Amino acid sequence: DGGITQSPKYLFRKEGQNVTLSCEQNLNHDAMYWYRQDPGQGLRLIYYSQIVNDFQKGDIAEGYSVSREKKESFPLTVTSAQKNPTAFYLCASRSGGGSYNSPLHFGNGTRLTVT
Amino acid sequence: GDSVTQMEGPVTLSEEAFLTINCTYTATGYPSLFWYVQYPGEGLQLLLKATKADDKGSNKGFEATYRKETTSFHLEKGSVQVSDSAVYFCALILRGNNNAGNMLTFGGGTRLMVKP
Repeated sequence: DGGITQSPKYLFRKEGQNVTLSCEQNLNHDAMYWYRQDPGQGLRLIYYSQIVNDFQKGDIAEGYSVSREKKESFPLTVTSAQKNPTAFYLCASRSGGGSYNSPLHFGNGTRLTVT
Repeated sequence: GDSVTQMEGPVTLSEEAFLTINCTYTATGYPSLFWYVQYPGEGLQLLLKATKADDKGSNKGFEATYRKETTSFHLEKGSVQVSDSAVYFCALILRGNNNAGNMLTFGGGTRLMVKP
């Protein structure tokens, strides 16, 4: 079955450490996205990528970095510069270069806790 | 800018009760509208969508009608089940901008709790 795989499901880190969240898709989608979800809140866009080797900042990119070396993969690094990194992180993808009618497909998320 | 407003939760219902979750939007253009559902510990799944005025999206007993005159897309279900307990997100995307930067705008989500 095609889908998006995020790993790990739970991640714990000490403050000051960088951490990388994995996102892999086998849907052959061009566009990929990272969202952050905080308790009781909606989704906020961190970064997105339309094609390999290209990505754009979203609304809350500070303290995060991404890469898109392969179509299937869009890892997110939460750096020590992110002041409040504890959150639920969702990866998503969309087909057709981002056609407005195509829905987002989401992974099951990674819950990051930084202490 | 574009925005989506949902009723605040949690919404607590007994099994077989009627469900309405209100969603209204403001948009600078002509949007397509979506409802997503998030079950505990999981990502979001597309529940239904409507792409033009008066369209009705439906799936798994849920329905929502695109009302341009009231800028609304309320989610309804005639008889909820315990398994419907989840967080529901209303979202919009503007039409006519066919690239990955055409972002979905999400509402804040409404938690539904259905008791047996």
